[in-house]
Amino acid sequence: DVKVTQSSRYLVKRTGEKVFLECVQDMDHENMFWYRQDPGLGLRLIYFSYDVKMKEKGDIPEGYSVSREKKERFSLILESASTNQTSMYLCASIGLGHYEANYGYTFGSGTRLTVV
Amino acid sequence: DAKTTQPNSMESNEEEPVHLPCNHSTISGTDYIHWYRQLPSQGPEYVIHGLTSNVNNRMASLAIAEDRKSSTLILHRATLRDAAVYYCILRDANTGTASKLTFGTGTRLQVTL
Repeated sequence: DVKVTQSSRYLVKRTGEKVFLECVQDMDHENMFWYRQDPGLGLRLIYFSYDVKMKEKGDIPEGYSVSREKKERFSLILESASTNQTSMYLCASIGLGHYEANYGYTFGSGTRLTVV
Repeated sequence: DAKTTQPNSMESNEEEPVHLPCNHSTISGTDYIHWYRQLPSQGPEYVIHGLTSNVNNRMASLAIAEDRKSSTLILHRATLRDAAVYYCILRDANTGTASKLTFGTGTRLQVTL
C-alpha cells in the first residue's frame, strides 16, 4: 500500500515562529499536495507540486511556502506562524497515470497544528 | 470547477444499505465523479470514481444517472466502521493528474446499531 507519512500528529508552536511540516511518500509519486482542514470550511488546497523543485499555488497560499527538493518529500513552511493558521494540515500524493488506473489520491493522517 | 451538492448528514442502521446522493447539474463531459471518505481523526481516503457507467469495487458501488447530473454512492451493508464524512468531487480529466481535488463539506454518515 502507498503510504503518506506526516512527521508529526500534533504540534504546538508560538506566534511568529517558523514552522516546518514534513510529508514523505514511499511510492515514487510525482504529484504532492498540501491541504488545510477547518470546521465548516472543508479541505482547502494550499500548494501542490507535480515534480521536484516545481510548485503551484492552490487556493489559499498566503502565509505559506513549500519545498520539494526530493521526489518523496514535500515540506510546508509557515514563515511566521499566526493564530489563524491553527488547523489540521493534510498531505496527499498521486502518481502519473494512477488516476486512470482507478487509484485515488492517498492522504496522510494529518498534522494538527496549534499556534498560541 | 463544477460544483456538487450533498446533504449535510444522513443516518443508517447497521447491516442496511446506504445510498448517498450527490447532485452535479453543471458537470461537463470530461468531469469524472470521485468519492472520498474521511473517517474520524484520519485523512480522506479514496472510495471510487467513474465517468458514465456504473462502477463497483470492494468498498462500494457508484451509480451515475444517465444525464450525469447526479450520482449515488452505495454502501451495500453499512457497518459502524463506515461512519465518516463522504465527499463527492468532480475532476476534469483534461487537466492531468496534477490538478487539485476541490472538497466541499460532504455528507456526515452516522451508522447506528
